[in-house]
Amino acid sequence: QKEVEQDPGPLSVPEGAIVSLNCTYSNSAFQYFMWYRQYSRKGPELLMYTYSSGNKEDGRFTAQVDKSSKYISLFIRDSQPSDSATYLCAVRSGNTGKLIFGQGTTLQVKP
Amino acid sequence: DARVTQTPRDKVTEMGQEVTMRCQPILGHNTVFWYRQTMMQGLELLAYFRNRAPLDDSGMPKDRFSAEMPDATLATLKIQPSEPRDSAVYFCASGIRTGEAFFGQGTRLTVV
Repeated sequence: QKEVEQDPGPLSVPEGAIVSLNCTYSNSAFQYFMWYRQYSRKGPELLMYTYSSGNKEDGRFTAQVDKSSKYISLFIRDSQPSDSATYLCAVRSGNTGKLIFGQGTTLQVKP
Repeated sequence: DARVTQTPRDKVTEMGQEVTMRCQPILGHNTVFWYRQTMMQGLELLAYFRNRAPLDDSGMPKDRFSAEMPDATLATLKIQPSEPRDSAVYFCASGIRTGEAFFGQGTRLTVV
């Protein structure tokens, strides 16, 4: 079993839709949570960083963490064609600093 | 504009040759990660360092891969001898102990 599970998709939505991306993780030692966006032939770019359970909002993006169920989510409101990319969740151990990624979900937003 | 710098961006080499990839972490970051990305496996953690000391290299094939940090401004990943199955994009990332990690643009390696 992988330490972080993420549905690879692909996910296709119309412009303006609300997008929900999700990951589950297995180890409660993971205490820091991140979402990255990766465009084709580019390095992953940090979108959101959270520590505690609850919601964190940044513009059209909302990251949600539920530590009790080991479940993390990213919501994108009013999705745009420029949001078309691969989205990777990542979890980091508070003890060792180890940073592990999910498989990534490929998102396409159609005009 | 602080960023992680990786060289080379692209590398094509013949099977059996040595390959060295270099990474300059962001100044002040004390943690460096090496990842390999393929379509099948996604981003796999190969090794990571804190304060230049290796903390975990369990993701790395030990017989052919080696990772080092000769100084705080340089991390290297070597493959010797290279094999076609090593073809992938290799990423370096840097950060502080429990904070965000920032990625370079990657080295696209093709072994023929």
